[in-house]
Amino acid sequence: DIQMTQSPSSLSASVGARVTITCRASQDISNYLVWYQQKPGKVPKLLIYGASTLQSGVPSRFSGSGYGTDFTLSISSLQPEDVATYYCQNYNSAPRTFGQGTKVEIK
Amino acid sequence: EVLLVESGGGLVKPGGSLRLSCAASGFTFSSYSMNWVRQAPGKGLEWVASISTSSTYIDYADSVKGRFTISRDNAKNSLYLQMNSLRVEDTAVYYCARAGVVVPLYNWFDPWGQGTLVTVSS
Repeated sequence: DIQMTQSPSSLSASVGARVTITCRASQDISNYLVWYQQKPGKVPKLLIYGASTLQSGVPSRFSGSGYGTDFTLSISSLQPEDVATYYCQNYNSAPRTFGQGTKVEIK
Repeated sequence: EVLLVESGGGLVKPGGSLRLSCAASGFTFSSYSMNWVRQAPGKGLEWVASISTSSTYIDYADSVKGRFTISRDNAKNSLYLQMNSLRVEDTAVYYCARAGVVVPLYNWFDPWGQGTLVTVSS
């Protein structure tokens, strides 16, 4: 099975800061990677699919990159409403494994 | 508007059974594969099971294989999860999630329902 490892597990940054989250797959998954955002007490929401395609309606400060085994989610200018846990997920094949999540807070 | 509404959660004793349902509306249900994902209290997301449009392809996480059964009724726009031999570690919010796009078979989850809480405790 493919393992997905996110880092860091949590981070705290100032409003306006650039934030980067890393997701590593245990084997090549091409660009079959998505990022979800889960705000406290809310349902997960799709942010990015195909490693870098922004879902409609998602602010342009979010971006994704990567291919193969190494991927990143970036927030160019952190906003208070971005406080959430972010998950990557492989959808290359079953099992569609999630990363363990990265909790983003405001400093 | 695409809507997914889960039901059937509750408190059950270890070894017991529960059947979750997900009522779908706002899209052509029979055209999309469907999924169950769970989240234990304070923990991350765990994919549970997936089913293709005509139920031809079904996958389970190893943690539930042999105990859980995913099914769907396209005539009723409904998805189900039959959970047997429940364990304390199955305690979680269970989300129903649609495939993001019609093809390919394996793709992302979007949107998600609000979830239903299953608590397994004596």
